[in-house]
Amino acid sequence: DGGITQSPKYLFRKEGQNVTLSCEQNLNHDAMYWYRQDPGQGLRLIYYSQIVNDFQKGDIAEGYSVSREKKESFPLTVTSAQKNPTAFYLCASSTGRQGLETQYFGPGTRLLVL
Amino acid sequence: EDQVTQSPEALRLQEGESSSLNCSYTVSGLRGLFWYRQDPGKGPEFLFTLYSAGEEKEKERLKATLTKKESFLHITAPKPEDSATYLCASPLPRTQGGSEKLVFGKGTKLTVNP
Repeated sequence: DGGITQSPKYLFRKEGQNVTLSCEQNLNHDAMYWYRQDPGQGLRLIYYSQIVNDFQKGDIAEGYSVSREKKESFPLTVTSAQKNPTAFYLCASSTGRQGLETQYFGPGTRLLVL
Repeated sequence: EDQVTQSPEALRLQEGESSSLNCSYTVSGLRGLFWYRQDPGKGPEFLFTLYSAGEEKEKERLKATLTKKESFLHITAPKPEDSATYLCASPLPRTQGGSEKLVFGKGTKLTVNP
């Protein structure tokens, strides 16, 4: 079955530590996205990538970094510079074609700070 | 400012009691609208894409409609398994070759009691 997988489901970060969240898709989609979801707030865009080896900052990119070395993978690193990392992180993908595109989401990773 | 506002924030219904959720948006240049369902601790599940004002789409007990300023998600004779948070998202104007960027509402949490 085609879909988006995220791992781990839960992640614990210690003070000053960088952690990496995994996102993999087998939908053959070109575009991938990372969102952050906090209670009572809408999803906010962190980074997005339209094609391999290219990515752009979203609305809240500070304290995060990404890479896009393969079409299927778009890992997100939460760095120690992100002072309030506790949130639910969602990865999404879309075909990357022109016109109105539907984004499909993975199951999410919940990041907690120890 | 591009905004998406959902109301009410929370809605409690008895099983079989029909109602509607509202999504209003101020994003310029209507390109369409998305509806998602999100269960606790999971990623959003795609429900509908509405492409133009006047369009309607149905899926089981759900019917989504779109006008030039708002969208409604009508729930007919809901069941307890319809309990979830429903999110709407409006696409921003898209540049040639650019990615599809969405503005999300904060969601409506629907609870259907048996």
